[in-house]
Amino acid sequence: GAGVSQTPSNKVTEKGKYVELRCDPISGHTALYWYRQSLGQGPEFLIYFQGTGAADDSGLPNDRFFAVRPEGSVSTLKIQRTERGDSAVYLCASSLTRTGSDYGYTFGSGTRLTVV
Amino acid sequence: DQQVKQNSPSLSVQEGRISILNCDYTNSMFDYFLWYKKYPAEGPTFLISISSIKDKNEDGRFTVFLNKSAKHLSLHIVPSQPGDSAVYFCAASRMDSNYQLIWGAGTKLIIKP
Repeated sequence: GAGVSQTPSNKVTEKGKYVELRCDPISGHTALYWYRQSLGQGPEFLIYFQGTGAADDSGLPNDRFFAVRPEGSVSTLKIQRTERGDSAVYLCASSLTRTGSDYGYTFGSGTRLTVV
Repeated sequence: DQQVKQNSPSLSVQEGRISILNCDYTNSMFDYFLWYKKYPAEGPTFLISISSIKDKNEDGRFTVFLNKSAKHLSLHIVPSQPGDSAVYFCAASRMDSNYQLIWGAGTKLIIKP
């Protein structure tokens, strides 16, 4: 597609449940990023993929969070035993390169996760 | 510890006038700064950036100024247009991890007709 696609756009889940959030990057973009944006704050880095591998997952808050990108394209962010504090907008972005001079990050519209 | 701060949650400007959005940072290792614009229910869109070796970068109606000694940057929009109404985020990155952006909390800009 022309842009970064994230599904679902909204997800309401009960505390303790497992959720998966999907990101379809722009075709050909090797770099993929997940960020989380809580209400009234800027996005916070979660994880960065270069190709299939997670080059940096230092932003994942704890071991309930995991992300994969098995074929170097679509990525899935997985959250186990969800907590109310996980409620946020989860943003995915992709880019052709990761160099500092080329921040051609294209963001998706995000998935709004609400844990009740 | 907020490394990138946008102290004004909102700003209201008359159409046609200049909008000035401010951003302060604390980490002297930051070497690249960006501004993003965000409309409701959409992802952030890249607007303009500046490297720490420069003090000014201009792109059409948008100019970003960097004052490294004060650890301060600002975004100027002139003239302001109704379509500029959005939330503006300042972000920064470090040379040693230049894929990771550190973001401010955003400033909501409202352009009054």
